[in-house]
Amino acid sequence: GAVVSQHPSRVICKSGTSVKIECRSLDFQATTMFWYRQFPKKSLMLMATSNEGSKATYEQGVEKDKFLINHASLTLSTLTVTSAHPEDSSFYICSALGGSGQPQHFGDGTRLSIL
Amino acid sequence: GQQLNQSPQSMFIQEGEDVSMNCTSSSIFNTWLWYKQDPGEGPVLLIALYKAGELTSNGRLTAQFGITRKDSFLNISASIPSDVGIYFCASYSGAGSYQLTFGKGTKLSVIP
Repeated sequence: GAVVSQHPSRVICKSGTSVKIECRSLDFQATTMFWYRQFPKKSLMLMATSNEGSKATYEQGVEKDKFLINHASLTLSTLTVTSAHPEDSSFYICSALGGSGQPQHFGDGTRLSIL
Repeated sequence: GQQLNQSPQSMFIQEGEDVSMNCTSSSIFNTWLWYKQDPGEGPVLLIALYKAGELTSNGRLTAQFGITRKDSFLNISASIPSDVGIYFCASYSGAGSYQLTFGKGTKLSVIP
């Protein structure tokens, strides 16, 4: 089946650091990937839609200069949390769309902790 | 935006019991998806439903797409400890959109 790999699974860093999270589709090409944020005991909140070769589309309230998204190939999208602060600590999850009519397949998430 | 009302919010059941959870909305959907999320992991797709009235099984799991296209349920039969987790219903946010809207989840606890 479709596999999405997300890396790293966990990262702890100091306030002010920029952190990059990778999302790869391992056995299929994904023209569209999605980035979500999930707070404890809450549902997934869509942050942005990442389209290969074009700019990401951000949801209302999500700062695009804070959360930089790059989708440079059909199998890789990256989310960079710039100048991270403790309030950016969260569980970030990516998903990839396998093709028209296909459901999203999710990565295993990245637990980001900013000290 | 479109909202999915998922219930119950949480449930505690004895191992071996059957479980039922559902999602409703005031909006019509063309697709219903059911995901399971284990702690510290991403959601895993369990069942996808694409047609009103469709009833689909995946092992001990059965899900149905409501006739009105405004609801769906997920049943788990003969629950086992590894069924523990959070179950989410989801659907696409609008016609032609691949963005997902999620329910708030049902947290399932199974007592051995």
